[in-house]
Order: sequence, then structure tokens, then C-alpha cells
Amino acid sequence: EAGVTQFPSHSVIEKGQTVTLRCDPISGHDNLYWYRRVMGKEIKFLLHFVKESKQDESGMPNNRFLAERTGGTYSTLKVQPAELEDSGVYFCASSQEGLAFVSTGELFFGEGSRLTVL
Amino acid sequence: LAKTTQPISMDSYEGQEVNITCSHNNIATNDYITWYQQFPSQGPRFIIQGYKTKVTNEVASLFIPADRKSSTLSLPRVSLSDTAVYYCLVGGRTGFQKLVFGTGTRLLVSP
Repeated sequence: EAGVTQFPSHSVIEKGQTVTLRCDPISGHDNLYWYRRVMGKEIKFLLHFVKESKQDESGMPNNRFLAERTGGTYSTLKVQPAELEDSGVYFCASSQEGLAFVSTGELFFGEGSRLTVL
Repeated sequence: LAKTTQPISMDSYEGQEVNITCSHNNIATNDYITWYQQFPSQGPRFIIQGYKTKVTNEVASLFIPADRKSSTLSLPRVSLSDTAVYYCLVGGRTGFQKLVFGTGTRLLVSP
């Protein structure tokens, strides 16, 4: 079974440009999460989808970030316009747990998309 | 969400047992303790989760004392490939989780 896949693995853009990161969760996982680690900092939560709905987007840094999950399958995270401080690694994760399901607490992470803003 | 404290780094040699302790003094009654492992250029990978006493799987053991204010991840007979960062996380197990990663413990296993 394929794991969580992310594309691109590395993107280098200039300040002010736009970048779109894509995440394909494990098939059948309703929950999809975005996390990121900026340089020298800890991995931080960005947002959480349940199917196509945003369950929690409290970690989104500002309105330059837009996440979508049309159809409840893959998700995209767009940064527009990108700033220098957006550089870092963006992780996507998926899981099976839901409101009525006691999960193992396991999130499956992708390998991350490294974003470098020059 | 409860804050965790763990050593920044640890060194070990192949074949030794490694114990990484995590403090979580403010753990809530319904919180579980989860450990993740992360290799360079990869995403975190779930290792083990527990609520109390001892949990063991094919990878590691997790020891949790009665007061649950700390936990110890035990890796038996480590190999070079166990060199990674290990994260201790505390949070709810049901519903929608928002994992809070701390600084983690960087384990270096030498020959």
C-alpha cells in the first residue's frame, strides 16, 4: 500500500512568487494534516482536514497560505506571495481516526516538501 | 496540550540499550503518550503509544510510572540505523489530534 506522497520534494522560488505543494494521503484516510518546520524551529501544526472540510486551521500563519482538499482526496497548500520566512519543510500526514473511532494515535507522514524562498 | 521535556541529545554504541526519558508534568487524565522517530529528510514515523504501565511492540518498549508525569522509551540493542530524532508527544487519543512536537532527542549510535 502506498504511503503519504508529497510533491515536489524540493522547490526553490523567489520572494513574491507562488508555490503550490501537493499531498496525496493514504487511500481511505479521511483525516489529512499539514505541518511545517521552519529553519531551526520545531515541527508545527498548520491545519487539519476531515474529508474536504477544514476541521482546524488554527496553525495557519497568515492569509498568504491557502489549503484545499477538493473531493476529500488529495490536498494542496498554496503560498502566495511567498516570503523568506516561509522557507522550511512542509509535512503532510494522514490518519484513519474519526469522532467515533478510537485510533491508535498514529499519523502517517510523508517525506515532506522542502521550500526555499530566495 | 501538555508540554514535554526531553534531553536534546544522547549518544550510544551499537548493541546497547537506550532509554530516553520524557517529562510531562501537566499531562491530563485523557492524554496518551506517543513517541515518533524521524530520520533526516523524512517525515516522523510512529513508534509506540501508551497510557500507563508498560507497552511493548516489535520496535520498542514504553514505560510509564503510576503518576504518568514522565515516560521512558526503551530501544533494545540499538544499531547504527537507529540514529534519528525521537519525539515524545502527549495528547488526546480520540477525535481530532493536533500533534505538538517539541525539540526531540537526537540519538547518535556509533559503531
